[in-house]
Amino acid sequence: GAGVSQSPSNKVTEKGKDVELRCDPISGHTALYWYRQSLGQGLEFLIYFQGNSAPDKSGLPSDRFSAERTGGSVSTLTIQRTQQEDSAVYLCASSLVGDSEQYFGPGTRLTVT
Amino acid sequence: KQEVTQIPAALSVPEGENLVLNCSFTDSAIYNLQWFRQDPGKGLTSLLLIQSSQREQTSGRLNASLDKSSGRSTLYIAASQPGDSATYLCAVRSGGSYIPTFGRGTSLIVHP
Repeated sequence: GAGVSQSPSNKVTEKGKDVELRCDPISGHTALYWYRQSLGQGLEFLIYFQGNSAPDKSGLPSDRFSAERTGGSVSTLTIQRTQQEDSAVYLCASSLVGDSEQYFGPGTRLTVT
Repeated sequence: KQEVTQIPAALSVPEGENLVLNCSFTDSAIYNLQWFRQDPGKGLTSLLLIQSSQREQTSGRLNASLDKSSGRSTLYIAASQPGDSATYLCAVRSGGSYIPTFGRGTSLIVHP
C-alpha cells in the first residue's frame, strides 16, 4: 500500500519568504508527527497531531512555524519569513494510533538562500 | 526527561561480521522502542518495534532485545552485508507521551 508522502521533495527559497510543506500520511493513521533534521544533527521534534485532539506544539522553535491537519489526514507545515537557520530536511511520520509503529516519509529538503 | 544514547557513533566492519548496536535510555517507564535505518538523503525506514512487555523481536537477520531494568536495547545484525550500510536510530516512547525521543544514531559501514 501507499506509504507516507511529502511534497515538494526539494524547496529553495529566499530569506524572508513563506513556505508550505505538505505531508500525506498513510490512510487511516490517526497520529501524525513533524520533525526537522539539520545537517549532522539528530531528529528534532516539531509538532504532533492525534485524531481530533489539540496538537502538541511544544517542539515548534518559534512563532514563525505553524502546522495544521485538515480532516484528520493531510498536514501542512508553514514557515513564515524564512531564515537561513531554517535550512534542513523536514520529515513527516504517521502511526495508526499514538503508540504504534511510526512510518516516515522521504522528507522535504528546504534550503533558504 | 528521557535521554537516549547510541554507542558507538560510527562503526566500520568487513562483510560477514555479526554486529551489535547499542541504545541506552534513562527513564525505564517506556511504552515501546523502535529501531530505524536511514540511508543518506532518505527518510527513516522502520526495522523493528518492541513493546514494553516484550523482550525481543526478530526480522530476518535482525534481532532487537529490550531490557527495561537496565535501560538498554541492542540491535543484532547477523552476517552483515554492504547493503546494511546506513545510519541506525532508536526511538523511545515514555513518560506519558507518545512523542518518541530519538538517539543520534550509529553510522554503519560494511565494506566488501
